[in-house]
Amino acid sequence: AQSVSQHNHHVILSEAASLELGCNYSYGGTVNLFWYVQYPGQHLQLLLKYFSGDPLVKGIKGFEAEFIKSKFSFNLRKPSVQWSDTAEYFCAAYGGSQGNLIFGKGTKLSVKP
Amino acid sequence: AAGVIQSPRHLIKEKRETATLKCYPIPRHDTVYWYQQGPGQDPQFLISFYEKMQSDKGSIPDRFSAQQFSDYHSELNMSSLELGDSALYFCASRGRGGPPYEQYFGPGTRLTVT
Repeated sequence: AQSVSQHNHHVILSEAASLELGCNYSYGGTVNLFWYVQYPGQHLQLLLKYFSGDPLVKGIKGFEAEFIKSKFSFNLRKPSVQWSDTAEYFCAAYGGSQGNLIFGKGTKLSVKP
Repeated sequence: AAGVIQSPRHLIKEKRETATLKCYPIPRHDTVYWYQQGPGQDPQFLISFYEKMQSDKGSIPDRFSAQQFSDYHSELNMSSLELGDSALYFCASRGRGGPPYEQYFGPGTRLTVT
């Protein structure tokens, strides 16, 4: 079965700092990976997704993620964070036969202005 | 563009009461997923429906039941509520014939059990 782990529980950065959030997944066949963002009090929004092809995936708001098959990783990056990026970030993988998602525990990002 | 609609957005119930949460998928979406996100927790998959039939089951308690209706909306029925049921309940929908991973999330229903 698929499982997803996120290394960092809480990351605190200053504005303009670079961001990298770790995500590892367990292999369970076809790999479909996602990063979602959840702003305080809001619902999950898709940042980016990987299905196949180019392992470097670009998403919205300047985020990107790199799929490294040999490391079972799908880390999220952003070169320069903004205060508005303060949110919780969830890595997820496609789980069941009908497409339910399995989420990591989430990483809370706090960006200091 | 139309999004997933959930109602109510907030719900306060007492222990042992029942609650019904509703989810209206994006038009022409035929698959609905329910997730539960406890305070400070990651979303956990509860149950899903495809074409009005239950398609997959996750960590849904026996006290909960759900169904999908002919217009594709879904309802999550929760009985004998417990304090631990306080959570944000998300619904997600997927398009007809779309890949299983293209899910669109609703805003969630925040259930508080007192």
